[in-house]
Formats: sequence, C-alpha cells, structure tokens
Amino acid sequence: GIQVEQSPPDLILQEGANSTLRCNFSDSVNNLQWFHQNPWGQLINLFYIPSGTKQNGRLSATTVATERYSLLYISSSQTTDSGVYFCAVEPGDDKIIFGKGTRLHILP
Amino acid sequence: EAQVTQNPRYLITVTGKKLTVTCSQNMNHEYMSWYRQDPGLGLRQIYYSMNVEVTDKGDVPEGYKVSRKEKRNFPLILESPSPNQTSLYFCASSRREIGEQYFGPGTRLTVT
Repeated sequence: GIQVEQSPPDLILQEGANSTLRCNFSDSVNNLQWFHQNPWGQLINLFYIPSGTKQNGRLSATTVATERYSLLYISSSQTTDSGVYFCAVEPGDDKIIFGKGTRLHILP
Repeated sequence: EAQVTQNPRYLITVTGKKLTVTCSQNMNHEYMSWYRQDPGLGLRQIYYSMNVEVTDKGDVPEGYKVSRKEKRNFPLILESPSPNQTSLYFCASSRREIGEQYFGPGTRLTVT
C-alpha cells in the first residue's frame, strides 16, 4: 500500500521562527489534508490541498502531486502553534492513510 | 453549529465487556470513518462508510465492528475488548465529493 512519510519527526523552534514541514507519499493520491493536533488532542483542519498552493494567515501549503510531496509552511511561529502536524492522503481506494506526524515545539 | 460528536469521551472497562462508542455528525456527510491513535504510530483507519448500509475495512479492523443504519450515526462496537485496544479513538466525517474531513473530539479508551 501507499507509504506516507513526514519529516522532520520532531522540531523545536524559538517563537518568531519560520518552519517547513514535509509530507512525501509513494503513489498518486486523490486528496491530501494537513491537520494540527493541539496539546489537548483536538484535530483541527488546516488545509485540504490535493494540488496547488493555499494560504491562511501565517500558514500556507503547497502540494506537487506529480512529484508526490506536500509542504506546510509556518511563518512567525507562536507558542500556540505547538502540537503535532499530520498529513493524510486518500490514494483512490476510499481509504485514508495518515503520516506519523511532525511534533513541533515552539519555545517562548 | 457543524460538528462531529462522540460519546463517551473517556471510558475505562475490563477485558471482554462489550462496549459501543457513538459518533454522530450534523453536516449530512456521506463518508464517515473511525481511527485509532497510538503513540509513535499516528492515526490508523479502523473502518469507514461511504453511505448508509455501506461499510468497509480500513487498515486495522480486527476486533471492531461498525454499522451505518442512519446517515448521521456511525457507532464503533467492541464485542470483546482486549488490553491492546487501549487507545485514543477518533470519528470523522466528510462530503464524498470533496473529502475534507472533520474530526470528533476523541474517546480515550482503557481496557484493563
């Protein structure tokens, strides 16, 4: 089956720094989403982005479907950005496959 | 307010005692899904449903059952829970055509 790999697995940054999180997938996908899991465990939609680029405030995402990767950019990090970031893909068989996540810790 | 609800939010039970975790959505979504989250493994799909009376196995279906008798509800049933089913469980729903998933708040299950 499809493999979804996220990097880096862990990231510690100072408040105000920028970061790039990566999601690689091993086969073509019908859709891709980015989620943020906050320290209380809640999963929050960030982007639904099977291809192209989207921006929402300090966050933006780009998916290059032909090269099988997606990037999540976080600019001017805040402590509230801490948590785990997941990408999830739907490879065309109606199942959803998640990566193992990137744990982000923003220091004040 | 558009939402996915799960109950209970926390549950401690004993091996072999049947339990049901309910999931309900008010967005008229066709697609519903259950996941379990374990440390270091991310989220893994247990079962999903494309619509009423249509369910299918995800990656880790062993030990679980589901049903989809109404569009809004998708309960997860553990007929004989075992300690290896101790986990954090999430229900999610989405419109079939768009696929953007919305998650419930999670149910933390402990089986002793």
